[in-house]
Amino acid sequence: SQTIHQWPATLVQPVGSPLSLECTVEGTSNPNLYWYRQAAGRGLQLLFYSVGIGQISSEVPQNLSASRPQDRQFILSSKKLLLSDSGFYLCAWAQDYYNSPLHFGNGTRLTVT
Amino acid sequence: AQTVTQSQPEMSVQEAETVTLSCTYDTSESNYYLFWYKQPPSRQMILVIRQEAYKQQNATENRFSVNFQKAAKSFSLKISDSQLGDTAMYFCAFMKTYGQNFVFGPGTRLSVLP
Repeated sequence: SQTIHQWPATLVQPVGSPLSLECTVEGTSNPNLYWYRQAAGRGLQLLFYSVGIGQISSEVPQNLSASRPQDRQFILSSKKLLLSDSGFYLCAWAQDYYNSPLHFGNGTRLTVT
Repeated sequence: AQTVTQSQPEMSVQEAETVTLSCTYDTSESNYYLFWYKQPPSRQMILVIRQEAYKQQNATENRFSVNFQKAAKSFSLKISDSQLGDTAMYFCAFMKTYGQNFVFGPGTRLSVLP
């Protein structure tokens, strides 16, 4: 069966520091991968999605970037964090067929101080 | 672009009773998929139920069922025999057939009261 791992679970970083959140999927190949952000008590905002290695689509201009160095690995990064980057970050995957739902990781709670 | 609206920010229901959460969406697509996700306090996003737009029959998963009205672009979730563990945020989501992008509604916070 497929599983998705996302880490770390929580992170506290000072303003101006770099960020790296990692997500890996097991048990499937060539998944579509996604990074979402959820502000406190709010809905999900799509940040990036990827349909293959090195293929990244950005939905929202921001201080963040994403990379997909391997088929089942998706990384969210920032060179310099802003206070507004605080939030709950969710990685998700979907199989590349027509009716596949999204499957989510457990999320990372990021607090920028 | 597709949009998803959930007009009820918060709802509450007594344990063992039935509650319906509303969702409407806007799209020009003819084929698409709709989903309900649950996010309990643990923040884990869990798929509750899904509906394919070309199917007229409403989806059902145990105590969860949907009322899908394609012409009205409405996709409500009914929870029967509510349990304390149903307390969560519920998100309605839309996906185009063969699309990579899922569009989520703003969510409804459901509290099940003992």
